[in-house]
Order: sequence, then C-alpha cells, then structure tokens
Amino acid sequence: EIVMTQSPATLSVSPGERATLSCRASQSVSSNLAWYQQKPGQAPRLLIYGASTRATGIPARFSGSGSGTEFTLTISSLQSEDFAVYYCQQYNNWPQTFGQGTKLEIK
Amino acid sequence: EVQLVQSGAEVKKPGESLKISCKGSGYSFTSYWIGWVRQMPGKGLEWMGIIYPGDSDTRYSPSFQGQVTISADKSISTAYLQWSSLKASDTAMYYCARLFYLGYFQHWGQGTLVTVSS
Repeated sequence: EIVMTQSPATLSVSPGERATLSCRASQSVSSNLAWYQQKPGQAPRLLIYGASTRATGIPARFSGSGSGTEFTLTISSLQSEDFAVYYCQQYNNWPQTFGQGTKLEIK
Repeated sequence: EVQLVQSGAEVKKPGESLKISCKGSGYSFTSYWIGWVRQMPGKGLEWMGIIYPGDSDTRYSPSFQGQVTISADKSISTAYLQWSSLKASDTAMYYCARLFYLGYFQHWGQGTLVTVSS
C-alpha cells in the first residue's frame, strides 16, 4: 500500500498571503494525484486531479504541481473561505490512499 | 446535475447490523464506479472500497475487506454499505462518492453519520 504523507500538519497563514502544502508518496504515483478541500461539517470537495488540473468551478488561485513522489498544492492569495483541511489522494495503485491532511488556519 | 443522496444518521448498538444507502441521479448510474470513504471523529479520510453498478464488480481496501460489504441495486440507482455486526469502532461519518473511471472522487454525497454505542 502506498503511504501518502502531507506536510505540515497545520499551516498558519494570513489572508491574502500564499499557502504551499506538500504531499509525498512512498513510491511513484505518476501524475495520478488529487487534492480535496474539506470544511467543517461538509463533505470533501475535489480541487485538483491529474496533479495539476483544476476541477470544474475551482478558482484559478488554486494550483497543483509535481509528479512521481512529490506534489504541491499552492493557494496564491488566501481568501477567508479557503481556511479548511486539505487532503491529497493517489489513485495510481490499489488500494487508493489518502494523506492524513493539512489544516490551513488563519494566522 | 450529478447528485448523490445518502440515507440519514443511524444510532446502533454493538452487534447489530446496518445497511446505509447512496442514491445517484443526474447521470448514468451503471457507467461509473461509486466508492465509500470513512472519516472517524476528528480524523482523516480512509478509502474503503468501490463498486461498478453495471456489473457489480467490487474492490475493497485490505483494511476493510471482510469488515463491510458494498453492493448496488442498479434498478433504483442506489449503492449500499453494510455491516453484519457493528462495533463501537465503526462510529464514523461515511461518504459515498462517484469516481471518474477508476480514479479520483469527482462527486460526493453529503455523508451518513453512524454512531455505535451501548
């Protein structure tokens, strides 16, 4: 089973600043990597798939990069609604696995 | 519009059985995999397993194999997650989600909270 490790566990950033979240796979997952956002009391929402393609309706301030084992989610200018928990997921190998999440909080 | 509507919250006792549901609409139910994801209180997301309603091909994470059963009734566009004997450790929010082919979870249900307590 591929282990997905996200860092940091918690990230404190001020509104308007840039946030950079990392996700590392224990072995290569090619570009088969997705990012999800989850707000309290809500279901997760797909943000990015294929490591770098924004899902429908996702603002351009969200961008994904990376391939193989190292991936990054960048939020260019944080809005109040962006403070949430973010998860990465690999879908290259069975079983598909999630990272443990990064909580993005207001500084 | 793709929608996945899950059944309501459940409170059960240890040892009881349970079947929760996820009804899909707005797309061809038999043409897309549906998966289940567990989220224990205050914890992250765990991939449980998936089913292809078209032919009921089912795949489980080793962590959940033998612990739950995933099924689907294509005549009513509904997928199910069931337990034969619940444990307190099954207390969690359970989400169904539609996959894009065998890839990422593209659309999510609202979640079903299962509480198991004596």
